[in-house]
Amino acid sequence: EEQLVQSGAEVKKSGESLRISCEGSGDGDTFELFWVSWVRQMPGKGLEWIGHIKPSDSQVRYSPSFEGHVTISVDKSLNTVYLQWGSLQASDNGIYYCAREPSYPTLNGYFNDAFDLWGQGTLVTVSS
Amino acid sequence: DVQMTQFPSSLSASLGDRVTISCRASEMFGDSLAWYQQRPGKVPTLLIYAVSRLQQGVSSRFSGAGSVTEFTLTISSLQPEDAATYYCQKYNIVPLTFGGGTKVEI
Repeated sequence: EEQLVQSGAEVKKSGESLRISCEGSGDGDTFELFWVSWVRQMPGKGLEWIGHIKPSDSQVRYSPSFEGHVTISVDKSLNTVYLQWGSLQASDNGIYYCAREPSYPTLNGYFNDAFDLWGQGTLVTVSS
Repeated sequence: DVQMTQFPSSLSASLGDRVTISCRASEMFGDSLAWYQQRPGKVPTLLIYAVSRLQQGVSSRFSGAGSVTEFTLTISSLQPEDAATYYCQKYNIVPLTFGGGTKVEI
């Protein structure tokens, strides 16, 4: 069974750095044929798309709301995607999910489908 | 960027009721529209993609419809396990955008 397994909960202070991970496991090429997105859910709030990465060639695209504050990266040898902060803020509190986007080549590039597989979430708590 | 607005933000209905949730886009973007269900304390799961295609394993009580900028998710006969928050999402073209969510209470 294919899964996205995320790293455990983190408790940090404002200004500290942090990297959380999302590992693809199971049968099949979890990462070769997919993009991987990160989604934030602040306490009691809705879902916000942060950005995504194409693990096969490390292309990254960010939401304007998060660009410059987070970095998405990948280690193909470990089948693992990362989300990192150089300096956490209290507003970074929340649950962070990774999610898989199936990707299909087209004449004009790629078509990315809806998020068909999600990680279990990583709770990030930032204290001031 | 395309904004996705869901309404209502919450609703209360009875078992067996037919429930419809709406999602409006600020501009046209094609048919890359998905619906997700998030039960309390759980991970979101994909219900519908491409406006009306049911994800494998999802109950046929769920259906999606719409076009241009107006989309709907309908639950034909509300069941206890349908108590959740539902999100629409525009995908494929970045930025990928979620609606604000609709909480369904039973």
